[in-house]
Amino acid sequence: DTGVSQDPRHKITKRGQNVTFRCDPISEHNRLYWYRQTLGQGPEFLTYFQNEAQLEKSRLLSDRFSAERPKGSFSTLEIQRTEQGDSAMYLCASSSLFGTSEITEFFGPGTRLTVL
Amino acid sequence: AQKVTQAQTEISVVEKEDVTLDCVYETRDTTYYLFWYKQPPSGELVFLIRRNSFDEQNEISGRYSWNFQKSTSSFNFTITASQVVDSAVYFCALSFYNFNKFYFGSGTKLNVKP
Repeated sequence: DTGVSQDPRHKITKRGQNVTFRCDPISEHNRLYWYRQTLGQGPEFLTYFQNEAQLEKSRLLSDRFSAERPKGSFSTLEIQRTEQGDSAMYLCASSSLFGTSEITEFFGPGTRLTVL
Repeated sequence: AQKVTQAQTEISVVEKEDVTLDCVYETRDTTYYLFWYKQPPSGELVFLIRRNSFDEQNEISGRYSWNFQKSTSSFNFTITASQVVDSAVYFCALSFYNFNKFYFGSGTKLNVKP
């Protein structure tokens, strides 16, 4: 396990369909984040898990979005009834926290979603 | 409100030139952390540095150096003797003591020409 992996890497779907993305963090990383990145912009925070608990959720995450991390390992991000505005790169990151100020965050390669 | 501003959208330099990427942040918290990430053309974000709000010492790592100034709420990044491999988009980010959320700037695209 050399890094964060995401599957699929690319997804093309039609408007109104549901899609699900998977993120496998680095082993033993207890923190997991989802971000969305559109062209020419920085990553926008979507949600954060510590182990299996979803501790933070952005207001950007509408009711159509849901994320889970059932066993504190891999995570899934589901988008229901996709809209063209959902087209973006979805990034997953994981990290572990040592002490009170040490954190190293590793990003996955992302899943590029295109909604037609 | 928490915000990170990277006013430089794109910078082009010739190899071996020095270049500084600007980052200005806004927060009312007294404890916070600042980060820089590199996103090469391959797309995967790479962590470069983390700084906490209590440590204003500048840091140097090889050709990279960072200047943190709380008085101006800036955390600037300088690449000395730039190389073509430095071409990428660079992001500045802000987080807080529990690292529950990160705020990213819009990024600066650096083009280093041979």
